[in-house]
Amino acid sequence: GAGVSQSPSNKVTEKGKDVELRCDPISGHTALYWYRQSLGQGLEFLIYFQGNSAPDKSGLPSDRFSAERTGGSVSTLTIQRTQQEDSAVYLCASSLLHDSYNEQFFGPGTRLTVL
Amino acid sequence: LAKTTQPISMDSYEGQEVNITCSHNNIATNDYITWYQQFPSQGPRFIIQGYKTKVTNEVASLFIPADRKSSTLSLPRVSLSDTAVYYCLVGEGTGGFKTIFGAGTRLFVKA
Repeated sequence: GAGVSQSPSNKVTEKGKDVELRCDPISGHTALYWYRQSLGQGLEFLIYFQGNSAPDKSGLPSDRFSAERTGGSVSTLTIQRTQQEDSAVYLCASSLLHDSYNEQFFGPGTRLTVL
Repeated sequence: LAKTTQPISMDSYEGQEVNITCSHNNIATNDYITWYQQFPSQGPRFIIQGYKTKVTNEVASLFIPADRKSSTLSLPRVSLSDTAVYYCLVGEGTGGFKTIFGAGTRLFVKA
């Protein structure tokens, strides 16, 4: 079946502009995660959604970052007034449930470059 | 306090066995230990998972001691294509599950 998909694959924007990154999880997966990975660094957790529960936003670096998940499926990560330090690869993952047993399936990522 | 601790990098040669150890002192009773592999320009992918003792699949083995405060990923006879970053992922240890991957271990396999 189809895996996790993300769009766009690459995004170049100017400092101060808003960007929206999209994630389509695997059908039936109730948990969805967003991570950020700067060049040569590990994964930085941003936010996760589990079913209809309130999302865990504890990893969002500032109030310029927000995310929503509509209908328990597609998710959008929005970055307002982008800064150069926001440049990174943004990875989305989904899993059947949010726990340490169910593996996370990752998408190919969106490479964001803020000029 | 870090949730997991791994070596930053390791070097090996083709055909050797590689063992990467991860420390997770605060692992909770119900938590599983999962290892992921990430190649450049790709998202991480699942390698192996275990709860205790030893688990083996077609890719790797995972050794977990009785106290479960650490785990060792064993890659038999590595090849150049095993060059990647390896992450271990465990629960938070306080009843919740935090998806903290950490910095991972960069494995370089040389010819």
